[in-house]
Amino acid sequence: DTAVSQTPKYLVTQMGNDKSIKCEQNLGHDTMYWYKQDSKKFLKIMFSYNNKELIINETVPNRFSPKSPDKAHLNLHINSLELGDSAVYFCASSLLGGGEKNIQYFGAGTRLSVL
Amino acid sequence: AQSVTQLGSHVSVSEGALVLLRCNYSSSVPPYLFWYVQYPNQGLQLLLKYTSAATLVKGINGFEAEFKKSETSFHLTKPSAHMSDAAEYFCAVLPTGTSGSARQLTFGSGTQLTVLP
Repeated sequence: DTAVSQTPKYLVTQMGNDKSIKCEQNLGHDTMYWYKQDSKKFLKIMFSYNNKELIINETVPNRFSPKSPDKAHLNLHINSLELGDSAVYFCASSLLGGGEKNIQYFGAGTRLSVL
Repeated sequence: AQSVTQLGSHVSVSEGALVLLRCNYSSSVPPYLFWYVQYPNQGLQLLLKYTSAATLVKGINGFEAEFKKSETSFHLTKPSAHMSDAAEYFCAVLPTGTSGSARQLTFGSGTQLTVLP
């Protein structure tokens, strides 16, 4: 069983469209994250939720809206897609706490191409 | 605030040669440190972690890393490279401190490892 799963794996869409990426984890973790990896492979956190509550919200355009229906799911909705949104988006999960609890496990990524 | 520097965005080694990927961190207190590997078109896989226990950490696929506080380093090594080791490697730092507070993982810029036959 896949621990952190994202859908879709590939997403090709036109500028101006609205799209969603879904993430689910079956590790029993209480914290989930979204990262963006740009064309130079640089990874940067976007959001983090703990038990459905937003705890990290980096400087991200408000066209990006995360939604966590429960602690096992964290979805990312993107409005009015722009060319610069093309990237690989990774979901991750962990427990919130000290030490090894906070080790993050990543999904396989969603490769978004905006044309 | 933490930061991570990976020296060398591209490293090439011959098959069977030593692999050395460098990582230096900046933090007011020793953090937790990680190496992740990303194979082409795949997600990030945890290779190994340092969480305040032994300073020499062994990971999967024969990799190991040594935490050196005096040098603020956490370099990744493997005695003998295999073709299958070709991938992107990321060093990451996680702050320690009061449990229960949010933790932000900060990644280095990555090192692409090429293994030559």
